[in-house]
Amino acid sequence: DSGVTQTPKHLITATGQRVTLRCSPRSGDLSVYWYQQSLDQGLQFLIQYYNGEERAKGNILERFSAQQFPDLHSELNLSSLELGDSALYFCASSVGAFADTQYFGPGTRLTVL
Amino acid sequence: KNEVEQSPQNLTAQEGEFITINCSYSVGISALHWLQQHPGGGIVSLFMLSSGKKKHGRLIATINIQEKHSSLHITASHPRDSAVYICAVRSRNSGNTPLVFGKGTRLSVIA
Repeated sequence: DSGVTQTPKHLITATGQRVTLRCSPRSGDLSVYWYQQSLDQGLQFLIQYYNGEERAKGNILERFSAQQFPDLHSELNLSSLELGDSALYFCASSVGAFADTQYFGPGTRLTVL
Repeated sequence: KNEVEQSPQNLTAQEGEFITINCSYSVGISALHWLQQHPGGGIVSLFMLSSGKKKHGRLIATINIQEKHSSLHITASHPRDSAVYICAVRSRNSGNTPLVFGKGTRLSVIA
């Protein structure tokens, strides 16, 4: 158990809908990272927050947004969902702002029908 | 061409064999990570390297910065080592550059 929690574990929804994925980092970790893993693309970095502020941005679609709250948990919002958004979404956390050792959550499997 | 290339893509080994997974990258890096993804999907960070060699139990990771190459070795392999092993690098460019991942090596260890 990494200490990082993600909810929900599974999510099935329809095209055009909006969903929110939630992540709680390990106690004491200030950075939260979001990753997308689809079958054909492998792991892709989406976005990083550090102590409430956006720190780095990857190939995150405009339909996706994220935030980190004062209690350091983070939410990833995915809207106007498309079939191609079906993937595993991982959250990871680390102590510092840079890519030191990251601890991964169990992931949320999103299926868009 | 991907910034991070792993080989082989798939590997099947007999229990007890010595296993090597390779990772090559094309950019200057500040750190390289090896991750393990279990069949159930969970990801565990195995090593973070910036030079030399690290060992943890039966796992050994090495990196050659000049050759832009890293290897992950598993000694006395066991069926429970069956997983996807992923290499990721952090570019040495200034600023907050994220990790870039290889496509992974799928390892199956047969009893």
